[in-house]
Amino acid sequence: NAGVTQTPKFQVLKTGQSMTLQCAQDMNHNSMYWYRQDPGMGLRLIYYSASEGTTDKGEVPNGYNVSRLNKREFSLRLESAAPSQTSVYFCASSERGGAGNQPQHFGDGTRLSIL
Amino acid sequence: GNSVTQMEGPVTLSEEAFLTINCTYTATGYPSLFWYVQYPGEGLQLLLKATKADDKGSNKGFEATYRKETTSFHLEKGSVQVSDSAVYFCALSAPGGSNYKLTFGKGTLLTVNP
Repeated sequence: NAGVTQTPKFQVLKTGQSMTLQCAQDMNHNSMYWYRQDPGMGLRLIYYSASEGTTDKGEVPNGYNVSRLNKREFSLRLESAAPSQTSVYFCASSERGGAGNQPQHFGDGTRLSIL
Repeated sequence: GNSVTQMEGPVTLSEEAFLTINCTYTATGYPSLFWYVQYPGEGLQLLLKATKADDKGSNKGFEATYRKETTSFHLEKGSVQVSDSAVYFCALSAPGGSNYKLTFGKGTLLTVNP
C-alpha cells in the first residue's frame, strides 16, 4: 500500500551542488507533479507530466529539470542548487482527469536545505 | 488566472468547538473544488471534494458546499478534536493546457487544545 514514494526524505546541500529527487507511484496513474512548499506560500507547481513521455512547466520551473523515466517514476533535478531552493518538495500523482475531478495523491515530501 | 483565497491562520480552538475555514476562488469555467489536510511531517491527503455547483463534500465529520453564486467552498466541522490539528488547504482544479492542474490556497493552520 505504498502509494507515492519519495527519496530521500532529508538532504542538505552546498550552494552549487546538484542532486536528483526521486519519486515513484504504484497506482498506475498517468499524471505526475512536483511541488514546492514554502512558509506562507502554499504549494506551488514546479513541473508536471500529464502522461508518460510528456513534461510541462508549472508556476516556478526556473532552476529545475524533470524526467518522466516511465509511467511509475518522475524525477526532479537541481543542476546548481541555490539557497532560494531550500524548501519541502512534494511529488504527487493522479489519474488523467477528463473532468478535472480526480484528486492528487501526495508523497511525504523531501526536506531540502541549501547552505 | 485561477486563484484560491483562504482565511489566514493560525486558528486555535478548544475541543468540541465549531470550525469554519473560509475559502473563495476565482476561476474560468467550472472548476472542481477540494480540501486537503496535512498532518505534521506528512504529505497532503484529500479530505473532501465537490465537482459541481451545490454539491456537498463530506468526510470524517467535515463538510463543504460548492457555492457558485458566492464562489466559495467553506470548510466546516461541528465538533473538532485534538486529532484534527493540522494544516488545511483549499484547492481548485481547472483545465490548463493538456491537463488539469491544482491551484492551492496558502493553507490554514488549525490547533485544537484539549
